Amino acid sequence: EVQLVESGGGLVQPGGSLRLSCAASGFTLNNYWMHWVRQSPGKGLLWVSRINSDGSSTSYADSVKDRFTISRDNAKNTLYLQMNSLGAEDTAVYYCARDYYDVLTGYSPGYYDYWGQGTLVTVSS
Amino acid sequence: DIVLTQSPGSLSLSPGERATLSCRASQSVRSTFFAWYQQKPGQAPRLLIYGVSNRATGIPDRFSGSGSGTDFTLTISRLEPEDFAVYYCQQYGDAPRTFGQGTKVEVK
Repeated sequence: EVQLVESGGGLVQPGGSLRLSCAASGFTLNNYWMHWVRQSPGKGLLWVSRINSDGSSTSYADSVKDRFTISRDNAKNTLYLQMNSLGAEDTAVYYCARDYYDVLTGYSPGYYDYWGQGTLVTVSS
Repeated sequence: DIVLTQSPGSLSLSPGERATLSCRASQSVRSTFFAWYQQKPGQAPRLLIYGVSNRATGIPDRFSGSGSGTDFTLTISRLEPEDFAVYYCQQYGDAPRTFGQGTKVEVK
């Protein structure tokens, strides 16, 4: 069974840092591009960042560029999001999500077939 | 960025009724790179529809998707009690991938 389990959220002061983790099980992480998506309280979904299967390529939303860093350790089946210079606008539930990937054809069109349960990040003094 | 606007913002219906949710894109979505997700309170989103009209694994056939270009529709033919939730559209044809703001389907 595919599972994604986030951890590392919590209360942090403005300007602080936090590192989120997403532990993957039930599949081979190194085949998949992975993403972080966040949801501010009572709001919709916002794509935050993505990383390719071997970690050599990353991309970020403009709102987090130069503050957040996505990384992965395929040997540990774990995805990370290092968040620095946090502000109130970063308060949200952070989800890791897996890009669908057809292992037979290598086709990966770009929708998310599995999501974690999310971890809440609250930025407040 | 492609902006997705969902309508209505909320929909009050009774079990057994038909639900029609719309999503309009600010520019044409590339190919069929369009999906719908369902989210229940306190839960992660769940993939319902990908490629405009393909149901994800385990999704019942009362859910159907259609559309092209800038206008897309999710239809739930007969609402079951477990279908009352928030639904989000998503385009994944252009970076960054973007979501609509959601349509809440609530019990009338």
